[in-house]
Amino acid sequence: DAGITQSPRHKVTETGTPVTLRCHQTENHRYMYWYRQDPGHGLRLIHYSYGVKDTDKGEVSDGYSVSRSKTEDFLLTLESATSSQTSVYFCAISQRVGEEFTYGYTFGSGTRLTVV
Amino acid sequence: AQSVTQLDSQVPVFEEAPVELRCNYSSSVSVYLFWYVQYPNQGLQLLLKYLSGSTLVESINGFEAEFNKSQTSFHLRKPSVHISDTAEYFCAVSDQGGSEKLVFGKGTKLTVNP
Repeated sequence: DAGITQSPRHKVTETGTPVTLRCHQTENHRYMYWYRQDPGHGLRLIHYSYGVKDTDKGEVSDGYSVSRSKTEDFLLTLESATSSQTSVYFCAISQRVGEEFTYGYTFGSGTRLTVV
Repeated sequence: AQSVTQLDSQVPVFEEAPVELRCNYSSSVSVYLFWYVQYPNQGLQLLLKYLSGSTLVESINGFEAEFNKSQTSFHLRKPSVHISDTAEYFCAVSDQGGSEKLVFGKGTKLTVNP
């Protein structure tokens, strides 16, 4: 399995402050994703990346931005945190064999963010 | 665009009973289908997947799922559940040849009671 770590694991922040979550992978996977998980909503895609400096929006991207300046790191920033962004955030990578997507995703352990 | 409907938000069963967790999807293109499991306070783990070939796929811990294209379903079954199967289960779909984005259902919480 690809090594994928998220930091921090837990964070409490105040409304209106910026917050950055980090996802780090130890292998050279091209595709990375940020999801949020909320009760009754399952997982919803926030942003994803298909290469260095190549990113695109998911279904719930408002209020979030991302950056990927190197292959191994994918950062998620809440520009001005709101209580509605209290959630568990998961990073994922898409594993491939050559050019073929075959393995689904590997998920990080998640970041529990509370905005007060 | 794809969508996934998991018909039951919660499924309580007794230990050693059979269980079926239902999943229906909607897509205008060919898809890959997945089931993920999430144990309490953990991340998601891949349980099984359908990519092509045999429509019946199995996991190492006794779960199976059958891809039914005509009914656009990918139901998950286990003939005899254990207490340790208590978890939340997510069905997910990805279009073939696209951006590999996974679209998830809202999850089914399986509780196995003694």
